[in-house]
Amino acid sequence: SQQGEEDPQALSIQEGENATMNCSYKTSINNLQWYRQNSGRGLVHLILIRSNEREKHSGRLRVTLDTSKKSSSLLITASRAADTASYFCATGPAGDSGSRLTFGEGTQLTVNP
Amino acid sequence: NAGVTQTPKFQVLKTGQSMTLQCAQDMNHEYMSWYRQDPGMGLRLIHYSVGAGITDQGEVPNGYNVSRSTTEDFPLRLLSAAPSQTSVYFCASSTSRTTNEKLFFGSGTQLSVL
Repeated sequence: SQQGEEDPQALSIQEGENATMNCSYKTSINNLQWYRQNSGRGLVHLILIRSNEREKHSGRLRVTLDTSKKSSSLLITASRAADTASYFCATGPAGDSGSRLTFGEGTQLTVNP
Repeated sequence: NAGVTQTPKFQVLKTGQSMTLQCAQDMNHEYMSWYRQDPGMGLRLIHYSVGAGITDQGEVPNGYNVSRSTTEDFPLRLLSAAPSQTSVYFCASSTSRTTNEKLFFGSGTQLSVL
């Protein structure tokens, strides 16, 4: 079963607007990662946030992590048409070898020019 | 550096045929893994390896075999292809033996089993 669940499944916005995607997970984690996938391509790593961190920034990306609610959000500010892609969260489990990164089903973001 | 290279990009098989999906990385990564991606189901882990000679099963290992004889290569073998194995397959690698670092993905192999 999938560890992470993204919400919404699909999001359509205008260029320049902000896009927020959410991820919820079920078990304790060591870290949470966000990836982007352009149509027909492999996944590209965006940002990693560890369980002892609450917020992280990278360029126009802002990720928050709330371990008490087992949830994370990805904010893309001032979106561009080139941000159109699927976005996946992935969790690295705590407590075991940590060798199994588990992905959610993704959010399809469409940025209209 | 080429990163993670997957071959072939596309493949069509008949039910019962066997084939090997190739994955190679030139970053000296210890961790390598195979995922399959199906519509509406995200990515599911098939097998992974934390170093040469060490492999383990993921979430959906049935019907697939792997081996890791070198650090660079991690081939995925389908012994007797079934239509349920129609999917896009991704290989990924990482510097870390655990999932505490980011994954580098290949561009994928689109497999159709008729």
